Amino acid sequence: QKEVEQNSGPLSVPEGAIASLNCTYSDRGSQSFFWYRQYSGKSPELIMSIYSNGDKEDGRFTAQLNKASQYVSLLIRDSQPSDSATYLCAVDSGNTPLVFGKGTRLSVIA
Amino acid sequence: GAGVSQSPRYKVAKRGQDVALRCDPISGHVSLFWYQQALGQGPEFLTYFQNEAQLDKSGLPSDRFFAERPEGSVSTLKIQRTQQEDSAVYLCASLDGHNEQFFGPGTRLTVL
Repeated sequence: QKEVEQNSGPLSVPEGAIASLNCTYSDRGSQSFFWYRQYSGKSPELIMSIYSNGDKEDGRFTAQLNKASQYVSLLIRDSQPSDSATYLCAVDSGNTPLVFGKGTRLSVIA
Repeated sequence: GAGVSQSPRYKVAKRGQDVALRCDPISGHVSLFWYQQALGQGPEFLTYFQNEAQLDKSGLPSDRFFAERPEGSVSTLKIQRTQQEDSAVYLCASLDGHNEQFFGPGTRLTVL
């Protein structure tokens, strides 16, 4: 059973702070890793993908991957109230469907 | 370009009714996925098509669930004899050339 674990939160951070979201996965053969943002009542929106160990930066977002520890994280710098959403971690083992965590609810307090 | 579209956006069914949910993937996307998302949970895989071939249906919860994609474009997820536990959001996603899945708006199914 392939599993993806996330802390459900809520994670509350003040506006302008760094939000750190974490995810662990069970399948050591996993190859691709994704972060989706989901606003209440909306569908998941892809915000980051990462495939190799290390950091990947895109604007205010940084994804970090450590395959040895089976750990992937998302950092959001200069958090804004509009970043308040549920963040879903998803893992792909190659030619298989995505396995999602339950999501972490982020609340950015103005 | 146009994203993934789904219809209807909302569906209310009485227990025992059959429902059909439609997905129009992004043009040219070969692979299409269906997921089910219960409240407070992440999406869970139902089934997967590559063109018209259904390559994996291991996530379909029972034989009341059936999906097709006869011409390799539009896909339909059918649920027969709906039960209350089928109430969820049904999400369709199509896969681009970078192995990234893009989701449609979903269909929220409520079974009374």
